[in-house]
Amino acid sequence: GAGVSQSPRYKVAKRGQDVALRCDPISGHVSLFWYQQALGQGPEFLTYFQNEAQLDKSGLPSDRFFAERPEGSVSTLKIQRTQQEDSAVYLCASSFATGDSPLHFGNGTRLTVT
Amino acid sequence: AQKITQTQPGMFVQEKEAVTLDCTYDTSDQSYGLFWYKQPSSGEMIFLIYQGSYDEQNATEGRYSLNFQKARKSANLVISASQLGDSAMYFCAMREGPEAGGSYIPTFGRGTSLIVHP
Repeated sequence: GAGVSQSPRYKVAKRGQDVALRCDPISGHVSLFWYQQALGQGPEFLTYFQNEAQLDKSGLPSDRFFAERPEGSVSTLKIQRTQQEDSAVYLCASSFATGDSPLHFGNGTRLTVT
Repeated sequence: AQKITQTQPGMFVQEKEAVTLDCTYDTSDQSYGLFWYKQPSSGEMIFLIYQGSYDEQNATEGRYSLNFQKARKSANLVISASQLGDSAMYFCAMREGPEAGGSYIPTFGRGTSLIVHP
């Protein structure tokens, strides 16, 4: 595909349910990032992969959040036992590995926990 | 401390006028990159322009230019000849290298909402 693809576009979960958000990056992009964006705020870093290696997960807010990228391509962000404060847009982005490469974002998944 | 500061929560500009969106940053790294993104109401983040810390000339991309003042640690976005379609949120971001404790993980500001009116 031409760009970063995220699914689902919208997700409504009842409090306590588990959710899985998928990201399909641009082919050939080594780096993959997950961000959380609350309403009216800038994206906040969650976690970062280089190929299949998760190099930084310092932004994950709790141990209920888990991300993987087992084959260095598609990534999944899983949130267990969702809470209302998890409601946000989850953005996935990919880039080449170098520092001057811009991030290319998907359209995001809007998660609403009721 | 905030790595990226965008002090203007909202800006208004008349169509066809130029507008400057402010961004200041904080880093001890000598090598870093600065980015601007546009986020329309539809939600996608669109890359606009990039400035490397070692670039001597200000970056330009069509109607977008970046006013880079390294000593003042500012990287303001200038949009010339504003169009109605420019109405959106604008985010400034920085990627720092490992020397500053970063891992090329971009940090974003809180954004500026730009409204272009006819």
